[in-house]
Amino acid sequence: ETGVTQTPRHLVMGMTNKKSLKCEQHLGHNAMYWYKQSAKKPLELMFVYSLEERVENNSVPSRFSPECPNSSHLFLHLHTLQPEDSALYLCASSPALNQGPDTQYFGPGTRLTVL
Amino acid sequence: AQKVTQAQTEISVVEKEDVTLDCVYETRDTTYYLFWYKQPPSGELVFLIRRNSFDEQNEISGRYSWNFQKSTSSFNFTITASQVVDSAVYFCALSEANSGGSNYKLTFGKGTLLTVNP
Repeated sequence: ETGVTQTPRHLVMGMTNKKSLKCEQHLGHNAMYWYKQSAKKPLELMFVYSLEERVENNSVPSRFSPECPNSSHLFLHLHTLQPEDSALYLCASSPALNQGPDTQYFGPGTRLTVL
Repeated sequence: AQKVTQAQTEISVVEKEDVTLDCVYETRDTTYYLFWYKQPPSGELVFLIRRNSFDEQNEISGRYSWNFQKSTSSFNFTITASQVVDSAVYFCALSEANSGGSNYKLTFGKGTLLTVNP
């Protein structure tokens, strides 16, 4: 596989469920990102990891918990979500942070619906 | 603070027409980067181009061309001879090189939905 992959592509969960989103990049990049895309709103950066270290937590509620076990994998653990958390969650990767211009490459996203 | 404005919310054209998507940006930084991404109905944001602020040369890639004008803070995107497969939401984005060590922060516009009808 090439590029950035995300699983599952679609997820429906109740507010009391616990689920995880998975992202994998096959580009040899050092940085990975989680974004949230809600209808009618700009993309929101949630978390950034560089070489498995979190460098950004953009005031995200604690019901979202990221995990980056290595530079190729990124998870987003979800628990006790709210209906307003329903959105498209996009993962991205980039070669390296803060070393000149850096381009982010995105995965296909997970469409999350919270009932 | 940086800002990206895509004033065109939706554009509808007929196949083979040329179409230009507008992007206007605001930044206080002297070094910055501009991007265009395409988001088809499948959801994935597809990277199209990155332009550095110090490089004002326009670029052409097949049917795609980009016009970067620092004087008007614009980075417009033209599709020539549009095709149905060009139907998507197109996002313009900006990152600043000197934003306190966080040049990865992309500010996106709200996107322009382009529909190309057969």
